[in-house]
Amino acid sequence: NAGVIQTPRHKVTGKGQEATLWCEPISGHSAVFWYRQTIVQGLEFLTYFRNQAPIDDSGMPKERFSAQMPNQSHSTLKIQSTQPQDSAVYLCASSLENQAPLFGEGTRLSVL
Amino acid sequence: GQGVEQPDNLMSVEGTFARVNCTYSTSGFNGLSWYQQREGHAPVFLSYVVLDGLKDSGHFSTFLSRSNGYSYLLLTELQIKDSASYLCAVNSAGNKLTFGIGTRVLVRP
Repeated sequence: NAGVIQTPRHKVTGKGQEATLWCEPISGHSAVFWYRQTIVQGLEFLTYFRNQAPIDDSGMPKERFSAQMPNQSHSTLKIQSTQPQDSAVYLCASSLENQAPLFGEGTRLSVL
Repeated sequence: GQGVEQPDNLMSVEGTFARVNCTYSTSGFNGLSWYQQREGHAPVFLSYVVLDGLKDSGHFSTFLSRSNGYSYLLLTELQIKDSASYLCAVNSAGNKLTFGIGTRVLVRP
């Protein structure tokens, strides 16, 4: 079992550019979560899917951020017109029903 | 809403124990999880508790008091390699997690 796979591990973008982050959940897991981690704010919930359907995106900034799960094997988080304050580690997690989410190693996004 | 509070730092001595406290306020509580996170790595799941009382998992034990909105993670027989951040998280509907800031535990010789 390879665990949750996130790519790329590191991404550097210029201010105003677009960034797309990829997540491959553990096979058979029905739920996929996206979190963002910074030193100041800690781990913050962004959004999650269950059986590929978006369930709760209450943590997503309403502008510039979007997430999709086109099939059961991957999810993407897209940030348009990136800003320096978007710099963070973006973590994806997946879980079976009623079990603790298991995290990927994250993508460290640096916006210059 | 949800609020999860933990101390920022905790120092202890190899061979002894460390207790990481967590208090929470919540509008929806399905359980509480603890994760360990090392610098530059993913949070690693340690324990999930939903019932009051102490859950003994050997090196790690967890306690929960739902009426007091309180939990702790107890690390016994500390080793240097236990130095890491320990994250408390409240599970709400859909297995969504609300995390505390994390407690950085430093184990010294």
